[in-house]
Amino acid sequence: AQTVTQSQPEMSVQEAETVTLSCTYDTSESDYYLFWYKQPPSRQMILVIRQEAYKQQNATENRFSVNFQKAAKSFSLKISDSQLGDAAMYFCAYGRETSGSRLTFGEGTQLTVNP
Amino acid sequence: DGGITQSPKYLFRKEGQNVTLSCEQNLNHDAMYWYRQDPGQGLRLIYYSQIVNDFQKGDIAEGYSVSREKKESFPLTVTSAQKNPTAFYLCASISGTAGSQPQHFGDGTRLSIL
Repeated sequence: AQTVTQSQPEMSVQEAETVTLSCTYDTSESDYYLFWYKQPPSRQMILVIRQEAYKQQNATENRFSVNFQKAAKSFSLKISDSQLGDAAMYFCAYGRETSGSRLTFGEGTQLTVNP
Repeated sequence: DGGITQSPKYLFRKEGQNVTLSCEQNLNHDAMYWYRQDPGQGLRLIYYSQIVNDFQKGDIAEGYSVSREKKESFPLTVTSAQKNPTAFYLCASISGTAGSQPQHFGDGTRLSIL
């Protein structure tokens, strides 16, 4: 079974600084997808960024980017120019089309942004 | 606007009682999912359905049941066999079954024991 591990239960960053959240996963498959979701206090799950495993290029969405290391099974999220609105729980997730696209989530990293 | 509607937002269950959580989507999505979230933890899959009248167990299906009689609806019943039902429940859906598609989530239902 696939597992996703987020080893940092809590992280903090100063406003306007950069922070990196770690995620590792375990799979024997070669074709899969990885996601970062954000869950603010409202408890909504909001997609931040996604990465296809077959793509070597790291995904980027505005201030959010990933460092995808397929051989190391690592998928970290970098947030640049952190803003107060970035404060949330961040979840890393793994999915495969042949598994009904079900997602396996990590336990989350609580990010605090200090003014 | 299209989206996923979960109701109610808060639900209380008495001992020995079954309760049903509603999930409706107007996104014309094919696949739907139910996840459970315990405090300070990630989401765990309860059940999912890729087409009408078909569904599969997830990682923690014991004590839960679902149905998929209509494409837009995927209700979850928490039965009395679920001894620790207090949690936040999230419903999600995707278009087709392509793994690259991000799952869209509802706003969740918080279930508590009376």
